[in-house]
Amino acid sequence: GQQLNQSPQSMFIQEGEDVSMNCTSSSIFNTWLWYKQDPGEGPVLLIALYKAGELTSNGRLTAQFGITRKDSFLNISASIPSDVGIYFCAGHKGGNQFYFGTGTSLTVIP
Amino acid sequence: DAGITQSPRHKVTETGTPVTLRCHQTENHRYMYWYRQDPGHGLRLIHYSYGVKDTDKGEVSDGYSVSRSKTEDFLLTLESATSSQTSVYFCAISESVEEQFFGPGTRLTVL
Repeated sequence: GQQLNQSPQSMFIQEGEDVSMNCTSSSIFNTWLWYKQDPGEGPVLLIALYKAGELTSNGRLTAQFGITRKDSFLNISASIPSDVGIYFCAGHKGGNQFYFGTGTSLTVIP
Repeated sequence: DAGITQSPRHKVTETGTPVTLRCHQTENHRYMYWYRQDPGHGLRLIHYSYGVKDTDKGEVSDGYSVSRSKTEDFLLTLESATSSQTSVYFCAISESVEEQFFGPGTRLTVL
């Protein structure tokens, strides 16, 4: 099945630094979602994007729906230790199915 | 958080035995999904439901069946478990096809 290309696969950053990650596809999507998953838990929805070019914030998180509709970006500003986890992107392009990236593992060093 | 529970949360079973996982929601959402999550593969769709008694296959449906007799419950059955079905299983719900909310997961080990 189709997967989204998510990068980087992992990141190690100092507390207080900003973080950027992205998700790309060869297909056009109508919706982009960003999730965070803590160990032993299910993914939690952070941000949903519905329109090309849309920029949406949720606290220190900002996500953008790429103009080409084939990519999306997630930024975390001023990282803190509780930002540690795996971040997933997901896309929807019609029908009943969502497609998921393989995740970006974030480690924040205090 | 969306009201989604999964049971059991952990299960160890032997090859060849039947296993049923349950997903229960209190949100009255129309759509329900079963995914498996494996290292290097991300989340892969097994089956989904778009209403009571309405289900369809996802990309990795072989060896799995589902049933939805009530809006709030979606069952995933492994008729004869195999070691390749060792995984973490997540249920998800959505009212529109634009957002999904996930349950806490079930860790299944098939020996």
